Amino acid sequence: QVNLLQSGAALVKPGASVNLSCTASGYIFTAYYIHWMKQSHGESLEWIGYINPNSDYTNYNAKFRSKATLTVDKSTNTAYMELARLTSEDSATYYCTRESYYDPFAYWGQGTLVTVSS
Amino acid sequence: DIVLTQSPTTLSVTPGETVSLSCRASHYIGTNLHWFQQRTNDSPRLLIKYASQSISGIPSRFSASGSGTDFTLHINKVDFDDVSSYFCQQAQTWPLTFGSGTKLEIK
Repeated sequence: QVNLLQSGAALVKPGASVNLSCTASGYIFTAYYIHWMKQSHGESLEWIGYINPNSDYTNYNAKFRSKATLTVDKSTNTAYMELARLTSEDSATYYCTRESYYDPFAYWGQGTLVTVSS
Repeated sequence: DIVLTQSPTTLSVTPGETVSLSCRASHYIGTNLHWFQQRTNDSPRLLIKYASQSISGIPSRFSASGSGTDFTLHINKVDFDDVSSYFCQQAQTWPLTFGSGTKLEIK
């Protein structure tokens, strides 16, 4: 069965960076794009961007282009998102999700809570 | 960016009622709209894809309709298990965007 397992909660200081992971299993990793979403507490979702694990091609929401960097490690079926120069505005739960035409965003990770605090 | 406006913000209903949740797009998006359910402290779950297509494993009480700019999610015979926030998402153009959600409460 398809599973996306995300890294655990992170407490980081303002100005620092954090690297979140999303490890896929149960399917061919390179066959599906991985998207990342942000959800601030009690609010709706924002699309950060996606990466094609087969080609490393990325597409970012302009709002997050200077904030997030998406990468993959095909040897471990893991997608990564680095968030840089963190501020309190970056405190949120971040999700990875798999896209395909036939089951768009049907599979999600459990989410990673990032708290930015000194 | 395409703005999705959901209404109502909150809906409080009694079990057994049938409800309709609205999602309006600021620009034409055809049928490139998906609906998600999100329970408290859980990940979103895909309910409906491409405006009206059902998803395997989702109860048939959930259905949806619409195209262009106006979309509706219908929940037949609401029960306590449906307490959640419901979001629409457009996949017509980049950036992908979500509505602000409708929170369903049971009286």
